[in-house]
Amino acid sequence: DVKVTQSSRYLVKRTGEKVFLECVQDMDHENMFWYRQDPGLGLRLIYFSYDVKMKEKGDIPEGYSVSREKKERFSLILESASTNQTSMYLCASSGPQGTPLHFGNGTRLTVT
Amino acid sequence: AQSVTQLDSQVPVFEEAPVELRCNYSSSVSVYLFWYVQYPNQGLQLLLKYLSGSTLVESINGFEAEFNKSQTSFHLRKPSVHISDTAEYFCAVNKNTGFQKLVFGTGTRLLVSP
Repeated sequence: DVKVTQSSRYLVKRTGEKVFLECVQDMDHENMFWYRQDPGLGLRLIYFSYDVKMKEKGDIPEGYSVSREKKERFSLILESASTNQTSMYLCASSGPQGTPLHFGNGTRLTVT
Repeated sequence: AQSVTQLDSQVPVFEEAPVELRCNYSSSVSVYLFWYVQYPNQGLQLLLKYLSGSTLVESINGFEAEFNKSQTSFHLRKPSVHISDTAEYFCAVNKNTGFQKLVFGTGTRLLVSP
């Protein structure tokens, strides 16, 4: 079974802090994604990566950056956390076009 | 660009009743379509998908969805729901060429009561 592991289930950070959200997948998937989930807005794509060291902006990349130094790991970075980044963050990975996304259980980030 | 509309944010239903969760999409190119389910405090799981072929696709737990190209819809149905089907359901679309980049709807919360 594919496993996508997000390092933290809950995280509380202060405004202005630098925040790292880590995600690891164990199925050698080429594609990895970061989404944020907010009530009434569904899932919105922040960034995705289709190969090591490659990244593409999603629909809402402002205030975020990513890093993919190894195929199995995809990190989301909040350079200076703000209260409007309080949200549920979901990492996912997938194989080629048409194959399903496999999601982690999410990290609920609260910025105070 | 693709987009997905799930008009119903919440659907309350009694156990053993039928249910339909609506999904409409917009795209200028051919697409793949998916339904994902999210149980409380969990990530999303694939429920079923349409890539090509038969327009009616089924899941292992009794859900089915029909791809209707003329109406650009992919509604999810179940003839008889269980309490355990209580969850949030997301419809998603992806163009069938280029990068894998799903666009999700805003979700429909299915509330099944006894």
